[in-house]
Amino acid sequence: DGGITQSPKYLFRKEGQNVTLSCEQNLNHDAMYWYRQDPGQGLRLIYYSQIVNDFQKGDIAEGYSVSREKKESFPLTVTSAQKNPTAFYLCASSWGGMNEQFFGPGTRLTVL
Amino acid sequence: DQQVKQNSPSLSVQEGRISILNCDYTNSMFDYFLWYKKYPAEGPTFLISISSIKDKNEDGRFTVFLNKSAKHLSLHIVPSQPGDSAVYFCAASYSGAGSYQLTFGKGTKLSVIP
Repeated sequence: DGGITQSPKYLFRKEGQNVTLSCEQNLNHDAMYWYRQDPGQGLRLIYYSQIVNDFQKGDIAEGYSVSREKKESFPLTVTSAQKNPTAFYLCASSWGGMNEQFFGPGTRLTVL
Repeated sequence: DQQVKQNSPSLSVQEGRISILNCDYTNSMFDYFLWYKKYPAEGPTFLISISSIKDKNEDGRFTVFLNKSAKHLSLHIVPSQPGDSAVYFCAASYSGAGSYQLTFGKGTKLSVIP
């Protein structure tokens, strides 16, 4: 079964701790993305990567970091510098360019 | 400044009737538009897309209309079914070199009443 997996589904962390969210895809897609969704809001782009070992900041990259060491994986680290980290985080992938993005099931992060 | 706007936060429709969800955009560079459906605590699911060279695209019960001069697009669902109840997001992109970004609206929550 091809798809995008995100783990865990729910994540709790104490304030001041870094946390890494996992995203894996077996669709052989070139591009991968991280979005954040807050209540009543649309999806806002955090980071995206078009190819391995390359990534670009999206609209709200401050307080986040990413890596793209493998085509299948695009982990997101929420650092202690992110002022409001509690949110629903969505990972997506696509062939790149003018193609639809396919989304994973999401991770809900709650910082206590 | 919101470049993609969905001005109706919610919409209620009777089962079997037509649902019309609207979306406006301000960036004239946008030339590719998509609709996604999302259930709570799940990732969005791609529904249908349209390129700016077209003014209509159909896929089963779903039709998207694009009015470039008005910078407006709409999603029609006919007939509406209870399983269509979800939040619908409009998204836009442009084919500039290296542009891989989608800009999303805030969504419209559709409730289909049996």
